[in-house]
Amino acid sequence: GENVEQHPSTLSVQEGDSAVIKCTYSDSASNYFPWYKQELGKGPQLIIDIRSNVGEKKDQRIAVTLNKTAKHFSLHITETQPEDSAVYFCAANSNNNDMRFGAGTRLTVKP
Amino acid sequence: GAVVSQHPSWVICKSGTSVKIECRSLDFQATTMFWYRQFPKQSLMLMATSNEGSKATYEQGVEKDKFLINHASLTLSTLTVTSAHPEDSSFYICSARGQAGGVGEQFFGPGTRLTVL
Repeated sequence: GENVEQHPSTLSVQEGDSAVIKCTYSDSASNYFPWYKQELGKGPQLIIDIRSNVGEKKDQRIAVTLNKTAKHFSLHITETQPEDSAVYFCAANSNNNDMRFGAGTRLTVKP
Repeated sequence: GAVVSQHPSWVICKSGTSVKIECRSLDFQATTMFWYRQFPKQSLMLMATSNEGSKATYEQGVEKDKFLINHASLTLSTLTVTSAHPEDSSFYICSARGQAGGVGEQFFGPGTRLTVL
């Protein structure tokens, strides 16, 4: 089955700096890679996703890149703001289409 | 985006009682719903997958008689924690997927915090 690894587990940046979170996956058949943001006491919210037919996708300050050959994908947040502070999870769909999640990255943006 | 609700948002119960959690897709039909469990500062652990009108598929190590799942309609799934014990205390989150087959987005509910005394 699919195994998703995520790094780093914690990340602290200064407001305005960029943040990068990386994930690797094991199943070469995976073709959908979403990223979720989870604030304390709430459910995860989909913030961006990418499918295997593209290498990069951008939505304002958030971008995701995918390298299918190396089986890794990354989340990039530019011009970080304190409200970006949360736990971010990457995920990849497994062969039966349920989602496997990374362990999460706790991002802290210091004002 | 699609909206998924959960009820209740939190519940406290005594050991040995049963607790039912509802998950609803409010503006789309969910052919598949997922139930996750999350311990503090940990990732989401998939407990089971349910398709409307059929029995849920449980992940290895999850007791199906302990965690009863019903997906009776395209907008509602329920998780019942039977004979709850303190070790069942956790954050339970559902998600719903609307696309039949293929790759589809999952939308998560806000979660239910269960505390068993």
